[in-house]
Amino acid sequence: GQQLNQSPQSMFIQEGEDVSMNCTSSSIFNTWLWYKQDPGEGPVLLIALYKAGELTSNGRLTAQFGITRKDSFLNISASIPSDVGIYFCAGRISNFGNEKLTFGTGTRLTIIP
Amino acid sequence: GAVVSQHPSRVICKSGTSVKIECRSLDFQATTMFWYRQFPKQSLMLMATSNEGSKATYEQGVEKDKFLINHASLTLSTLTVTSAHPEDSSFYICSAISWRGPARETQYFGPGTRLLVL
Repeated sequence: GQQLNQSPQSMFIQEGEDVSMNCTSSSIFNTWLWYKQDPGEGPVLLIALYKAGELTSNGRLTAQFGITRKDSFLNISASIPSDVGIYFCAGRISNFGNEKLTFGTGTRLTIIP
Repeated sequence: GAVVSQHPSRVICKSGTSVKIECRSLDFQATTMFWYRQFPKQSLMLMATSNEGSKATYEQGVEKDKFLINHASLTLSTLTVTSAHPEDSSFYICSAISWRGPARETQYFGPGTRLLVL
């Protein structure tokens, strides 16, 4: 099935550093979502974006819906050990909640002690 | 709010047997649920969309006779892997949405079920 291009694939950072990852698509999405998945768990919703250009924060996390509607980025400021995990972007073509999501390939975040 | 549970969390079965996985929305009614499969170090791949009271919609390449989905109520969907084989070993995750409440228009995921077929 279709997947979104997510980069970087993996990141190795030190605690306290800021993190930035992005997601791009060849087609337009009208909803962008960012999830975090811990090993052996299901994804947990971090931020939902519904309008092109929208910038939304959730604590140390900030995400933006690209104005072209073909991309989105997620920033994490002042990383802490519990930020370790895999981050997935997901896009939805319509504004209807029952439409399926297309997931990105994931960004694995590791914090170096 | 917006809690989704799955049962069992892990299952080991012999090749040729069938396994049923349950997905429940605990604090909201889910008109639509989704079933995903995730292989190690890969992303989530949608298998099917499950709508309460109607037949599931399967993604291309997913065998509907092998992966039986039943969405019998607004809080429960089940996925049955029939005649399981080792290549069916994977992490199966469900998600649920609702038009009202905390899960409005957003997919909330269950904790996943790890299936190992010997």
